[in-house]
Amino acid sequence: DAGVIQSPRHEVTEMGQEVTLRCKPISGHDYLFWYRQTMMRGLELLIYFNNNVPIDDSGMPEDRFSAKMPNASFSTLKIQPSEPRDSAVYFCAVGGGTEAFFGQGTRLTVV
Amino acid sequence: DAKTTQPNSMESNEEEPVHLPCNHSTISGTDYIHWYRQLPSQGPEYVIHGLTSNVNNRMASLAIAEDRKSSTLILHRATLRDAAVYYCILYNFNKFYFGSGTKLNVKP
Repeated sequence: DAGVIQSPRHEVTEMGQEVTLRCKPISGHDYLFWYRQTMMRGLELLIYFNNNVPIDDSGMPEDRFSAKMPNASFSTLKIQPSEPRDSAVYFCAVGGGTEAFFGQGTRLTVV
Repeated sequence: DAKTTQPNSMESNEEEPVHLPCNHSTISGTDYIHWYRQLPSQGPEYVIHGLTSNVNNRMASLAIAEDRKSSTLILHRATLRDAAVYYCILYNFNKFYFGSGTKLNVKP
């Protein structure tokens, strides 16, 4: 198993553009999480899913952010329109047992 | 959300033991104590977890206070590859809330 795979690893986009971050989770885990990491705020939980159903999206900063999990092997985090303050590293993780497994993250830069 | 308090940074010499403290005075009876670490440019990775008893695994040991209001992660022999940010997390209902962590610097 190659682990949680996120794409792209790096994304540079202009303010106002739509950005879609992708996550291919490890199979066999019921929970999927999206986190955002910045120097100022550290690691923040944005949203998590249980069996593909969004359970808690209270961490999603604004309506510009949306996340989907159409099936157990794929999830997306979309930002539309993007703003410079959205620049961060976004992590996808899976869990449901005793530990969580994180992807390598997507470094997003909005200019 | 349950909170943890850790020192911002610590330093250790290579091959020496490291004790990373964490305070979690508001812990509830069903909270597990988890430790993760984040190497530079990587996602967090699991280190160890426990509920009440001390725990050992191939990476580290976890010592939990009797009242569970604090815990200590022990790296028995620090290596340069252990330089990372270590997060102490209270885990319940499948949500991990990360604090600011302790940045461990290992000197050769």
